[in-house]
Amino acid sequence: SAVISQKPSRDICQRGTSLTIQCQVDSQVTMMFWYRQQPGQSLTLIATANQGSEATYESGFVIDKFPISRPNLTFSTLTVSNMSPEDSSIYLCSVGGGTSYEQYFGPGTRLTVT
Amino acid sequence: AQSVSQHNHHVILSEAASLELGCNYSYGGTVNLFWYVQYPGQHLQLLLKYFSGDPLVKGIKGFEAEFIKSKFSFNLRKPSVQWSDTAEYFCAVNARPGSARQLTFGSGTQLTVLP
Repeated sequence: SAVISQKPSRDICQRGTSLTIQCQVDSQVTMMFWYRQQPGQSLTLIATANQGSEATYESGFVIDKFPISRPNLTFSTLTVSNMSPEDSSIYLCSVGGGTSYEQYFGPGTRLTVT
Repeated sequence: AQSVSQHNHHVILSEAASLELGCNYSYGGTVNLFWYVQYPGQHLQLLLKYFSGDPLVKGIKGFEAEFIKSKFSFNLRKPSVQWSDTAEYFCAVNARPGSARQLTFGSGTQLTVLP
């Protein structure tokens, strides 16, 4: 399985600002995913980020709010823009690919918006 | 779109008790099924998976799950739990066919094992 790191591990941000979260993988992967885990809730997929194409967003998530970059096969960023307290969550990236359908998750970024 | 239900939100057991966590999904086609575990302070880890073949799959740490297609279920079991099994458990589904590999997660079950 891939080893995934995320930066920052946690942050406290003010309302109206933006935060960019980085996801680094130790091997080349085709598919990367970004999830949100709100307090006490399950994981919700934000978008799928494939290298060389635009990210695909799930219903309820838009590019202006959550822009994603995927410059190469080992790295991706998710930006949470114009933050509000409702954006306080854990944001996780995951990777999957090849012939296998499972995904492997990073440690997450715990975001608190005040 | 598929959905996943985990009916047990919080389960409390004593050590050595048997465990069964329910997971039901709603999708009429072929699915891949997963159980993930999140230990306190750690990230999500894959516990076991089902793609095809034997509906009884074994995972790490003595866990197993049984896929019952007629019931749209994929329940997680362990014959004798340990204190170290205290964690949150998530069932997840990926619907096939298609190139999309998104996972849909259940709401999670918090398991507390008392020593």
